[in-house]
Amino acid sequence: EAGVAQSPRYKIIEKRQSVAFWCNPISGHATLYWYQQILGQGPKLLIQFQNNGVVDDSQLPKDRFSAERLKGVDSTLKIQPAKLEDSAVYLCASSRMLLTDTQYFGPGTRLTVL
Amino acid sequence: AQSVTQLDSQVPVFEEAPVELRCNYSSSVSVYLFWYVQYPNQGLQLLLKYLSGSTLVESINGFEAEFNKSQTSFHLRKPSVHISDTAEYFCAVSDRDNQGGKLIFGQGTELSVKP
Repeated sequence: EAGVAQSPRYKIIEKRQSVAFWCNPISGHATLYWYQQILGQGPKLLIQFQNNGVVDDSQLPKDRFSAERLKGVDSTLKIQPAKLEDSAVYLCASSRMLLTDTQYFGPGTRLTVL
Repeated sequence: AQSVTQLDSQVPVFEEAPVELRCNYSSSVSVYLFWYVQYPNQGLQLLLKYLSGSTLVESINGFEAEFNKSQTSFHLRKPSVHISDTAEYFCAVSDRDNQGGKLIFGQGTELSVKP
């Protein structure tokens, strides 16, 4: 069974530029999560989808971050415009559906904003 | 709201020594508890989880953790570590009543096993 795929693995941009990250979850997984992991900290949930609907986006900075999950499969997270403090690893995870189902994480995208 | 505190940011140990990684949580509701591990240059992987039943849970590679409700702790232990256990370990909680399954992570503990 293929794992969670993310691309790109690394991205370097200037502040005020835009960037997009892509995630392909494990086949059949209804729930998809985007986490932000700043160096030296644990991951923090940005947004959670159940199929193609948003369950929780309470910690998503909506003035600059947006995410979508078209057709309930792949997802894209966008930052526009980026700030220096957005430098972090962006992790995508997926799980089947139930609250107790294990979340499987992708390798992450490391973003550096200069 | 929940929060998780991992009391040690770095734990250096010698191979074959025992280790304990400490995790305390704060929550006004009942929680599920997890330990995730991140090996160098790899993604996060679930190590073990407590959902209900026996308060002692074990992983396939010799780690165990015990849920202590009165002390709101979920410490991770291994009686004898190997070089291959070198990794970053994250403790996490989720709200039992929140159907979303959102995980709240601690800051992580870097375990470094030396020969």
